[in-house]
Amino acid sequence: NAGVTQTPKFQVLKTGQSMTLQCAQDMNHNSMYWYRQDPGMGLRLIYYSASEGTTDKGEVPNGYNVSRLNKREFSLRLESAAPSQTSVYFCASSDPGQGNSPLHFGNGTRLTVT
Amino acid sequence: SQQGEEDPQALSIQEGENATMNCSYKTSINNLQWYRQNSGRGLVHLILIRSNEREKHSGRLRVTLDTSKKSSSLLITASRAADTASYFCATDGASGGSYIPTFGRGTSLIVHP
Repeated sequence: NAGVTQTPKFQVLKTGQSMTLQCAQDMNHNSMYWYRQDPGMGLRLIYYSASEGTTDKGEVPNGYNVSRLNKREFSLRLESAAPSQTSVYFCASSDPGQGNSPLHFGNGTRLTVT
Repeated sequence: SQQGEEDPQALSIQEGENATMNCSYKTSINNLQWYRQNSGRGLVHLILIRSNEREKHSGRLRVTLDTSKKSSSLLITASRAADTASYFCATDGASGGSYIPTFGRGTSLIVHP
């Protein structure tokens, strides 16, 4: 049981390049989330997917797109990377139907945009 | 914007001492959760307290919730060097809709051996 798996672990991009961050969970959770973590800012929600087939914007969605490919996978895409997107990105999943269950996090993707 | 805000931002103690972290939030909640993050890792859930609960224990952790003051505290008793980490509170709104936990900026705890 791997939990939440994120790939890649590290990535360096040049301004204007694109990339997709991958996330998969094996806990049969309905909800999945993408957060970014910056020093002194805590975690901020980028996008979330309450269930398969739905996605919604969070607090900081600009510059990102997401795809809920199936119940297991939720990807985050940067179409044209900017230095302001240098951050650590965390994917998480939960099953709110079971009384607001806690979030399960992956170990993050450390992205640097130069 | 952050719903929960932890206090203090940083805490440095000696092994064996107790560590207390506080979280304040702004709007009504269904529950409040505490998470721990070791350096370079994802967050790990510690404990959840529901809005109708006032205190909850789990091992060396004690969480209190005061909904009238919109605040919660996390107490770690008899701290160990391995407790060194950042601790975050997360709240969810009580207005229904999707389940969207909102995190504070965290408390960085250092426990000196």
